[in-house]
Amino acid sequence: QSALTQPRSVSGSPGQSVTISCTGTSSDIGGTKYVSWYQQRPGKAPKLMIFDVYKRPSGVPDRFSGSKSGNTASLTISGLQAEDEADYYCCSYAGSSTFVVFGGGTQLTVL
Amino acid sequence: EVQLVESGGGLVQPGGSLRLSCAASGFTFSNYWMHWVRQGPGKGLVWVSRVKTDGTSTNYADSVEGRFTVSRDNAKNTLYLQMNSLRAEDTAVYYCARGLFGDPVGFDSWGQGALVTVSS
Repeated sequence: QSALTQPRSVSGSPGQSVTISCTGTSSDIGGTKYVSWYQQRPGKAPKLMIFDVYKRPSGVPDRFSGSKSGNTASLTISGLQAEDEADYYCCSYAGSSTFVVFGGGTQLTVL
Repeated sequence: EVQLVESGGGLVQPGGSLRLSCAASGFTFSNYWMHWVRQGPGKGLVWVSRVKTDGTSTNYADSVEGRFTVSRDNAKNTLYLQMNSLRAEDTAVYYCARGLFGDPVGFDSWGQGALVTVSS
């Protein structure tokens, strides 16, 4: 049981937009500005896509955007491309006792 | 180019020990917090541990507290994870990751991972 709840799978057609939700509590997502998102392709290491809720590292396309409302963070991918097919994980700071929690991951399928 | 290369994984019996290493290059290692994150077979990511830039502060997930020890040698640009009293549930790919400045959950570079299998 992961600390953060994500849908197990989402799907969309090329060119469409999809949103992946990540639900936590006031002890993690709701109480921090430190929320990140990772993309992981099969057999590969995770890649940072979003940090500090909405910031994109250099090199990440602006098709990827992040947001937060209350205890739920979201990753939106617009203009879906075949290369976006991967697993996506959210991550949040959870205070000075638990520190870091991940979501269970969402498998994105591009139809 | 930032590079992180893990080594030291392998098969170990329950109750045994193993030490992972992560060799860093392409950046000033001593300026960054470093983390270990693991992923069980077919499962999600789980944060394991972190160590401060100078090694004076460490933190652990509850599941490994008291059994795992993270450390670093800034002169050798190397991060370590000493794993003792290993259990079957510790079986996973272990990744080392570099932390973003001032961000406890932003891991901007990852190694390729080291597989640890705990089995008799």
